Amino acid sequence: EAGVVQSPRYKIIEKKQPVAFWCNPISGHNTLYWYLQNLGQGPELLIRYENEEAVDDSQLPKDRFSAERLKGVDSTLKIQPAELGDSAVYLCASSLLRGGTGELFFGEGSRLTVL
Amino acid sequence: GQQLNQSPQSMFIQEGEDVSMNCTSSSIFNTWLWYKQDPGEGPVLLIALYKAGELTSNGRLTAQFGITRKDSFLNISASIPSDVGIYFCAGQRGAQKLVFGQGTRLTINP
Repeated sequence: EAGVVQSPRYKIIEKKQPVAFWCNPISGHNTLYWYLQNLGQGPELLIRYENEEAVDDSQLPKDRFSAERLKGVDSTLKIQPAELGDSAVYLCASSLLRGGTGELFFGEGSRLTVL
Repeated sequence: GQQLNQSPQSMFIQEGEDVSMNCTSSSIFNTWLWYKQDPGEGPVLLIALYKAGELTSNGRLTAQFGITRKDSFLNISASIPSDVGIYFCAGQRGAQKLVFGQGTRLTINP
């Protein structure tokens, strides 16, 4: 069974440029998460989807970050415009159980460097 | 907000030694998860705990859900080089978001 797939693995951009990350969860997993991981820190939740509905986006900086999961399967996270402080790893995860409970399975992450 | 404190922040041990690390919280959780993250990879789930007092093993790894529901412990027996990495605890209460600790970085000297 394929795991959570993310792309790109690495992205280097200049500040004020836009960037987008893509995630395809494990087949059959209705719940999808985007996490932010700064260097030397644990992951922090940005947004959680149940199918196509964003049920927890309280930690998403909505002035520059947006996310979508239009068909309830794969998802895109966008930053526009990017700032220096956005340099981090963006992790996507999925889980089988609804309600944000249960075991999360992570992708390899997308490492963003903003110059 | 909820915070998890992992201890120690880093460990330097000899191959073959046993390892112990823990995670504490000011809040009660009803789920504890332990993950391992290798450089350039995403966290990989090691053990999941769902009941206070529960002791669960996965090979050389053993984790326990503290009786107070505010802590959890992870032990690794007879460490080997591939155990190197960062270990994260994560706690959850009901349908609230999963909260991660800061990680324990394990380094093994051959």
